Amino acid sequence: KAGVTQTPRYLIKTRGQQVTLSCSPISGHRSVSWYQQTPGQGLQFLFEYFSETQRNKGNFPGRFSGRQFSNSRSEMNVSTLELGDSALYLCASSLGQGGRALHFGNGTRLTVT
Amino acid sequence: QKEVEQDPGPLSVPEGAIVSLNCTYSNSAFQYFMWYRQYSRKGPELLMYTYSSGNKEDGRFTAQVDKSSKYISLFIRDSQPSDSATYLCAMSDNQAGTALIFGKGTTLSVSS
Repeated sequence: KAGVTQTPRYLIKTRGQQVTLSCSPISGHRSVSWYQQTPGQGLQFLFEYFSETQRNKGNFPGRFSGRQFSNSRSEMNVSTLELGDSALYLCASSLGQGGRALHFGNGTRLTVT
Repeated sequence: QKEVEQDPGPLSVPEGAIVSLNCTYSNSAFQYFMWYRQYSRKGPELLMYTYSSGNKEDGRFTAQVDKSSKYISLFIRDSQPSDSATYLCAMSDNQAGTALIFGKGTTLSVSS
């Protein structure tokens, strides 16, 4: 069974631009969660999507948004990029809504210059 | 005080040693406890998942939860060089769903 797939693996953007990251969950998994990982803050929860609806949201500004499609694939968008948005963005999928046994992808490394 | 505290290490042990990794937490509402392993340039991989207190064993790995002390542990027996990675504890309460609270991770190095 294929794991969680995230594209692209690496991105370099300029401050003020916007970026879209993509995530394909494990087949059959309907919940997709997004996390930000930085050396200073560690892993921090961004949001969870289930059945195309945002079910939970972390403490991040509105510049961070996401969506989920009918096939459970998800995208995350960050607008008006700031230098502090440089991080590893991880997508995780789980079977049901709120399922805590998360299966992570290998992430998208975003660098903002 | 952070919700979850984890010693960052690094922790260096010889092959075959027993490794003990620990996290403390402050939120008594936490009921779900997990350990993840993260290799360099990879995403975290779920190792152990426990609910409430007690022990759980899976091969060379044993997870312990002591809710009275707000303390969780992961033991690795017969450690191997392939165990060299960063180990992250994570936990949540009944309401948080997938919004896990993670420790910062402990970096483990097992030398042959």
